[in-house]
Amino acid sequence: AQTVTQSQPEMSVQEAETVTLSCTYDTSESDYYLFWYKQPPSRQMILVIRQEAYKQQNATENRFSVNFQKAAKSFSLKISDSQLGDAAMYFCAYRRRGSQGNLIFGKGTKLSVKP
Amino acid sequence: EAGVTQFPSHSVIEKGQTVTLRCDPISGHDNLYWYRRVMGKEIKFLLHFVKESKQDESGMPNNRFLAERTGGTYSTLKVQPAELEDSGVYFCASSPSGGNTIYFGEGSWLTVV
Repeated sequence: AQTVTQSQPEMSVQEAETVTLSCTYDTSESDYYLFWYKQPPSRQMILVIRQEAYKQQNATENRFSVNFQKAAKSFSLKISDSQLGDAAMYFCAYRRRGSQGNLIFGKGTKLSVKP
Repeated sequence: EAGVTQFPSHSVIEKGQTVTLRCDPISGHDNLYWYRRVMGKEIKFLLHFVKESKQDESGMPNNRFLAERTGGTYSTLKVQPAELEDSGVYFCASSPSGGNTIYFGEGSWLTVV
């Protein structure tokens, strides 16, 4: 069975600094998607970034980028120039291609941003 | 454009009572999903509707949970009778046909006492 592990329950970063959130996963599939979702307090969970497993190039969205290591089954999220609005729960998720909405989530990492 | 909306945002009920959670997906989204997060654990998939049909209900924990999507628009998730272990956050999400991005609601917090 596929699993997603986020080993950091909580992380803290100084405003304007860079932070990396870890995520590892286990699967026997070769074609899948990986996601990072962000949920601010009392707000909707929103997609931060998505990576297709067949793409070697790491996905980037403005200040957010991933380090996708397929062989190591690692998918870390780097947030550059951290802002106060980045404070949230961050969830790493996996979906097998073809499984549509059956996302498998990690337990989440709570990120705090210090001014 | 309105996002995925869920009601109620918070609910506190006694063990043995019934609760019905409602989800309005983004207009035009054929796919609708329910997930839940029990305290301290991962967010778990419950089921997936395509329009009014249940595409995948492999995550439904037991027969105390009933999900419906009559007419293929909004969906309800009923828990009857509720047990203490049902406490958690219930997320609804939707996506367009063929889309890879799933849009989530804010979640409905359920506390069973």
